Amino acid sequence: SQKIEQNSEALNIQEGKTATLTCNYTNYSPAYLQWYRQDPGRGPVFLLLIRENEKEKRKERLKVTFDTTLKQSLFHITASQPADSATYLCALRGKAAGNKLTFGGGTRVLVKP
Amino acid sequence: KAGVTQTPRYLIKTRGQQVTLSCSPISGHRSVSWYQQTPGQGLQFLFEYFSETQRNKGNFPGRFSGRQFSNSRSEMNVSTLELGDSALYLCASKRRLPEGADTQYFGPGTRLTVL
Repeated sequence: SQKIEQNSEALNIQEGKTATLTCNYTNYSPAYLQWYRQDPGRGPVFLLLIRENEKEKRKERLKVTFDTTLKQSLFHITASQPADSATYLCALRGKAAGNKLTFGGGTRVLVKP
Repeated sequence: KAGVTQTPRYLIKTRGQQVTLSCSPISGHRSVSWYQQTPGQGLQFLFEYFSETQRNKGNFPGRFSGRQFSNSRSEMNVSTLELGDSALYLCASKRRLPEGADTQYFGPGTRLTVL
C-alpha cells in the first residue's frame, strides 16, 4: 500500500542551527511533492513544491531536495528562528489521473532561543 | 483577497446527531477539498468538489457526504456521529501554479467534538 512517512518525534533545535526534516514514501510514482507548515489550531500553509524531475528548490531560508531513487525528500530550515516552531507536513501527488494530494503525519519542530 | 473561510469554528455534538460544516473558498477558486485531521491518523482526504461535482473521494464511510453550490461554496455533512469523528475538519481551495501543478489553500478548520 502507499505510504508517506515523516518522523513523528519532535525535532528540538537551537536557534541559528539548520533543521532537517525527512519525508519517505513507498509505492508512489509522484508527480510532485509539497511541503506545508501548520501552526496549532490553524490550517496548513503551503511553503514549497518540487517536481519529480527537480533535485532541489529554495525559498529564502528553506531548501527542499527530492531523490526519487531513494524515494525521499529532505526539508531544511537554515538559520532557524523560534518563529519557525511549527509542524511541517509533506504531501505527494501521484501521476495517475485523479490522484489526490496525500499528506504525511508531520514533524513538529521546536526552535529554542 | 479573502482567504478560505469555514463555519462554525467550534462545534460540540453528541453521538448519533448529525452535523453540517460550511466552507467558502477563495474568490475565483472552483475546487474545494475536505480533510479530516486527528492526532492518530493525521490529515486524511475526504472528498473534492469541482463545479458542483464530486471529483474524488477518500476512504470514509457513507455517513460522510458533501456538496458544492454554484457559487463554489461547499458543505460537508456527517450523520450518526460517532466518538471517533471528533477531529479538526479542514477545507481547502485549489490554485494552479505557473508550473502546472496545484496547491491547496486551507481554511482555519472546524473543531468538532463528539461527546
